[in-house]
Amino acid sequence: HQQLRESGPGLVQPSETVSLTCTVSGDSISGHDFWGWVRQPPGKGLEWIANVLSSGNTYYNPSLKSRATVSVDTSRNLFSVRLTSVTAADTAVYYCARLATYSVTAFDIWGPGILVTVSS
Amino acid sequence: DIVVTQSPDSLAVSLGERATITCKSTLSYKPNDVNHLSWFQQKPGQPPKLLLYWATARASGVPDRFSGSGSGTDFTLTISSLQAEDVAAYYCLQYYTSGALTFGGGTKVEIK
Repeated sequence: HQQLRESGPGLVQPSETVSLTCTVSGDSISGHDFWGWVRQPPGKGLEWIANVLSSGNTYYNPSLKSRATVSVDTSRNLFSVRLTSVTAADTAVYYCARLATYSVTAFDIWGPGILVTVSS
Repeated sequence: DIVVTQSPDSLAVSLGERATITCKSTLSYKPNDVNHLSWFQQKPGQPPKLLLYWATARASGVPDRFSGSGSGTDFTLTISSLQAEDVAAYYCLQYYTSGALTFGGGTKVEIK
């Protein structure tokens, strides 16, 4: 039974870069193809950030593509997202999730989320 | 870019009554004739939970009072008999081009 957990800084200064990691436990990350990141500003809806394959291929939300980078580290069983030049608008709960093998929209396992606040 | 619009933004339904949420997309994209549209339920303080995928298929463990319909650009999530534990926000997620996804804006369901 796979579990995901996000980790990273809770507070980031404006204009800086935030890096978040999703650690996968219970199974090898290589045993599954698609992994993704989703965020949710406080009191607002969900926004898809990006997906990464265990092979390393990546797919991005066009609105974030210039600032986001996702990667996978199969040796450490984790995947990551990096967001540059953050502003207050990037304040959100960030979730990592696994895409089910049967559908490219079926995020079937989620981490608990991590709140990232952008503030000086 | 694709726009996915959910309606209503919120609705209040009596216990045991039907709740219906719609999700309309500005683009129809059906690779291999499959509707890659999923529905999620999110309760406060929790991550989203997958309810339906392929527009109509229930995820494991999801009660059969949740059902989906639609194809192309218009989709519907129906809760046939609202239970107290169904109070939550609901989101659709659409796949619209090679590898790209977009969420609907969400619908909050409450008890009337």
